Amino acid sequence: DAKTTQPPSMDCAEGRAANLPCNHSTISGNEYVYWYRQIHSQGPQYIIHGLKNNETNEMASLIITEDRKSSTLILPHATLRDTAVYYCIVRVTDSSYKLIFGSGTRLLVRP
Amino acid sequence: DTGVSQDPRHKITKRGQNVTFRCDPISEHNRLYWYRQTLGQGPEFLTYFQNEAQLEKSRLLSDRFSAERPKGSFSTLEIQRTEQGDSAMYLCASRHTSGGAGDEQFFGPGTRLTVL
Repeated sequence: DAKTTQPPSMDCAEGRAANLPCNHSTISGNEYVYWYRQIHSQGPQYIIHGLKNNETNEMASLIITEDRKSSTLILPHATLRDTAVYYCIVRVTDSSYKLIFGSGTRLLVRP
Repeated sequence: DTGVSQDPRHKITKRGQNVTFRCDPISEHNRLYWYRQTLGQGPEFLTYFQNEAQLEKSRLLSDRFSAERPKGSFSTLEIQRTEQGDSAMYLCASRHTSGGAGDEQFFGPGTRLTVL
């Protein structure tokens, strides 16, 4: 079962920041938080991941709370092309590296 | 295009027929994963390979399902005696085990199966 809880849907205005929350209260000390997104009719796409520290790349920023029980994905300037389902995943620590997806958050970016 | 490719993109079949899907991973990616996604749900793990060895199978992978990766490159997923409940998107992903914890999985576009 997925170890994360996300709101089923959110929306934001184009050009504004989109802040997507995720709860992972049972996360273990060596488990990473990954974010993927899935645009309609496409395969999931990797966005970012982190362990303890906040992370930033060209797509997004990831803010992880100090107790690591929750995190927030930030898309700083959302565009219409960011409309997608966003999945927060706590990656399994066994050698498989398989991903256990939840239901995700459906983000709608409004013009 | 050097991404993960899947073939066919769409497959419509009648109940009871056998179907086979193909996945071509990114070159030199030694790990290959299969996932299944039903409407409105996130992808569910089915199985994965390291090179040609199938290392794990989910309980979702019934006896009617078989996956192979004969030369450690492309992989096939076969479903025998298809049922309407097999209708789903079948996704393939690959990654390279370079030893880092952050190695992402690259997903293909998926094969959408409809069983009538």
